[in-house]
Amino acid sequence: DAKTTQPTSMDCAEGRAANLPCNHSTISGNEYVYWYRQIHSQGPQYIIHGLKNNETNEMASLIITEDRKSSTLILPHATLRDTAVYYCIVRVGGNAGNMLTFGGGTRLMVKP
Amino acid sequence: NAGVMQNPRHLVRRRGQEARLRCSPMKGHSHVYWYRQLPEEGLKFMVYLQKENIIDESGMPKERFSAEFPKEGPSILRIQQVVRGDSAAYFCASSLAGLNTGELFFGEGSRLTVL
Repeated sequence: DAKTTQPTSMDCAEGRAANLPCNHSTISGNEYVYWYRQIHSQGPQYIIHGLKNNETNEMASLIITEDRKSSTLILPHATLRDTAVYYCIVRVGGNAGNMLTFGGGTRLMVKP
Repeated sequence: NAGVMQNPRHLVRRRGQEARLRCSPMKGHSHVYWYRQLPEEGLKFMVYLQKENIIDESGMPKERFSAEFPKEGPSILRIQQVVRGDSAAYFCASSLAGLNTGELFFGEGSRLTVL
């Protein structure tokens, strides 16, 4: 019972913004949205997370809709090194110790 | 400030042998998580440990697999009597205190090949 739905794959031109969508229509009020990515053969890497408000850090921006049923991860200027599988995950916040459950993710291919 | 260290990076075992995978969390981190990734598949949670305690082992196979995180030393994932289906990448992650920020720091993984 997947809590998030993501496209299987996406392409993006190098230097352009990559917009990765995620649907989480059954998200609960105390659940956060997290994004991780896994570059081929490497360990997953944390990107960003948010609850209600849009968030931005040095890697990406996270836009969460007002009803919180979907979100978009934005890589503002994609590079070839951003080619990876991107995972959108929802989980309860706080010191609950809940593990992260990874779904299938979106395979982003950044092309020259 | 070293990240999560896993060793060995690559391990080859014959069927029936034992595999031991080690994970040293980031400095100051007392929570460790093990994940398995079969070839061409996603990451599957196995076990969550704090120092000397198993908190959640809901993803661990019922037989042959065990994990520990002793007071001193790294966390160990042990697979007894390995079979070909155990061939996978095993990732360890650590966090500072539970998952209150949601940020897990992952190691580079240990790749087990069973012949």
